[in-house]
Amino acid sequence: QQQVKQSPQSLIVQKGGISIINCAYENTAFDYFPWYQQFPGKGPALLIAIRPDVSEKKEGRFTISFNKSAKQFSLHIMDSQPGDSATYFCAAKARPSGTYKYIFGTGTRLKVLA
Amino acid sequence: ETGVTQTPRHLVMGMTNKKSLKCEQHLGHNAMYWYKQSAKKPLELMFVYNFKEQTENNSVPSRFSPECPNSSHLFLHLHTLQPEDSALYLCASSQVISGDRGRGQPQHFGDGTRLSIL
Repeated sequence: QQQVKQSPQSLIVQKGGISIINCAYENTAFDYFPWYQQFPGKGPALLIAIRPDVSEKKEGRFTISFNKSAKQFSLHIMDSQPGDSATYFCAAKARPSGTYKYIFGTGTRLKVLA
Repeated sequence: ETGVTQTPRHLVMGMTNKKSLKCEQHLGHNAMYWYKQSAKKPLELMFVYNFKEQTENNSVPSRFSPECPNSSHLFLHLHTLQPEDSALYLCASSQVISGDRGRGQPQHFGDGTRLSIL
């Protein structure tokens, strides 16, 4: 119940294409869903996040789609660029229980071809 | 300096050595975290400190010993490590606000210490 399942493990997209990464969860207590971007040799950096009271959030070329009934959320990268090549992690946070614990997916390695 | 700074960036140690990882956050946050990142595995939360008090220990072996002397600094003391402990160790911080039900306070990560156990 504490897992967040992320797919695909790796993704290759042509420049200008749409990259889509999916995550699924079981725990209905999760109430905050961030996405992190990690470049080699760097720590994860917050990219975009959503709460379950909205179905979509867009920031520039990055969009999170959230389906509460299906317990799924996805990251869409529009007009993908070679600079977007990185590993992307979804995460989920449960409602307060005395800790602020994120559960992370296993990551998706994205490569955008020039 | 800004953000979350971790030192050293790389560390190679023998199984019998004792070393420490250091993390410093310049964001004014009151919670700090240690994570372990291994290839093809989710980030594993190791320890959480909230207002300098350890609030979580995720069944981490005693050969890892955290220390949080103040809200800006976090250490991870290492001794008698095993080869399977080789990984990237990430520090993160966030602002915990009472009464906001913990919503929308993202964790900010450092660039990690790449640890190799010989």
